Amino acid sequence: SQTIHQWPATLVQPVGSPLSLECTVEGTSNPNLYWYRQAAGRGLQLLFYSVGIGQISSEVPQNLSASRPQDRQFILSSKKLLLSDSGFYLCAWILASGDNEQFFGPGTRLTVL
Amino acid sequence: AQSVSQHNHHVILSEAASLELGCNYSYGGTVNLFWYVQYPGQHLQLLLKYFSGDPLVKGIKGFEAEFIKSKFSFNLRKPSVQWSDTAEYFCAVGNSGTYKYIFGTGTRLKVLA
Repeated sequence: SQTIHQWPATLVQPVGSPLSLECTVEGTSNPNLYWYRQAAGRGLQLLFYSVGIGQISSEVPQNLSASRPQDRQFILSSKKLLLSDSGFYLCAWILASGDNEQFFGPGTRLTVL
Repeated sequence: AQSVSQHNHHVILSEAASLELGCNYSYGGTVNLFWYVQYPGQHLQLLLKYFSGDPLVKGIKGFEAEFIKSKFSFNLRKPSVQWSDTAEYFCAVGNSGTYKYIFGTGTRLKVLA
């Protein structure tokens, strides 16, 4: 069966520090991968999605970037965190040849101080 | 612009009451429609989905939703809610051509025992 992992689960970082959040998927090949930020009252905001290795689509101009170095690995990064980057970050995947149901990871709670 | 609107941000019901959560969307092309649910402390998970065919779709736990194309709506319903339905509900719209998904801001449902 397929599983999706995210780490770390929680992270507290100072303003101006770098960020790297990792998401990996097991049990499937060539998934589409997604990064969302979930904020109270604002729902899920799509940040990035990827349909293949090295292919990244950015949805919202911001202080973050994403990379997909391997088929089942999706990384969210920042060179210098801002206070406004605090939030709950969710990774998700779908099987492009499947029925387009998105499967979500457990999320990472990021607090920038 | 692509968007999803959930008009009810917070809903409080007593057990056995009927539920209807509104979802309206603005999205070009052929749409795929979803409702996801996030129970306290758990991952987001799929409740039901519509791709084509019968506009009335049934999901898990007695939920159903109706796609009304002329109204760009996909409202979620349940005839009789239970305390265990307390959760946050998200409507989402996607397109199998672009693999891009837009989520609504969510509705927090609290069911009183």
